Amino acid sequence: GAGVSQSPSNKVTEKGKDVELRCDPISGHTALYWYRQSLGQGLEFLIYFQGNSAPDKSGLPSDRFSAERTGGSVSTLTIQRTQQEDSAVYLCASSLAGVGTDTQYFGPGTRLTVL
Amino acid sequence: AQSVTQLDSQVPVFEEAPVELRCNYSSSVSVYLFWYVQYPNQGLQLLLKYLSGSTLVKGINGFEAEFNKSQTSFHLRKPSVHISDTAEYFCAVSDQRNTGKLIFGQGTTLQVKP
Repeated sequence: GAGVSQSPSNKVTEKGKDVELRCDPISGHTALYWYRQSLGQGLEFLIYFQGNSAPDKSGLPSDRFSAERTGGSVSTLTIQRTQQEDSAVYLCASSLAGVGTDTQYFGPGTRLTVL
Repeated sequence: AQSVTQLDSQVPVFEEAPVELRCNYSSSVSVYLFWYVQYPNQGLQLLLKYLSGSTLVKGINGFEAEFNKSQTSFHLRKPSVHISDTAEYFCAVSDQRNTGKLIFGQGTTLQVKP
């Protein structure tokens, strides 16, 4: 079956602009995660969804970052007023139930470059 | 709080040689342990995971890892590497209380030379 897909694969934007990153999880997976991969910080957790709710937003770095999930499926990560330090690869993952034993399946990522 | 330390940022090795990638973790509660691999320009893929039971875990592509609770380690090994194993490897933990959130180490780049 289809894996996790993300769009766009690459996004170049100017400082101060808003961007939206999209994630389509594996069908039937109730849990969805966003991570950020950057040279200086490695792989960092951003936010976790169970269904359409986000019980753990502890990794969002500032109030410029927000995310939503609709229909228990597609999720959008929005970054407002982008800064150069937001440049990174944003990875989305989904899992069946959102428990510690689950395997998370990752998408290919969106590479964000802020000029 | 939990943390993961991968002791080597880069590991160069010749083809057909054995390799060990080291991972240590810190946690005040029991954890589940994972190794993920990221091939160039691809997403992360699960290699193997330790949940409970036998401390020696076998994964895909001939990799295995051993959980050592006393040393809080989960080192990854392969007896004979191939050029195609060149990739970045991430060790991660999720704790038994939470939502499956993964805490990753900094990653180890395995460079297999012919």
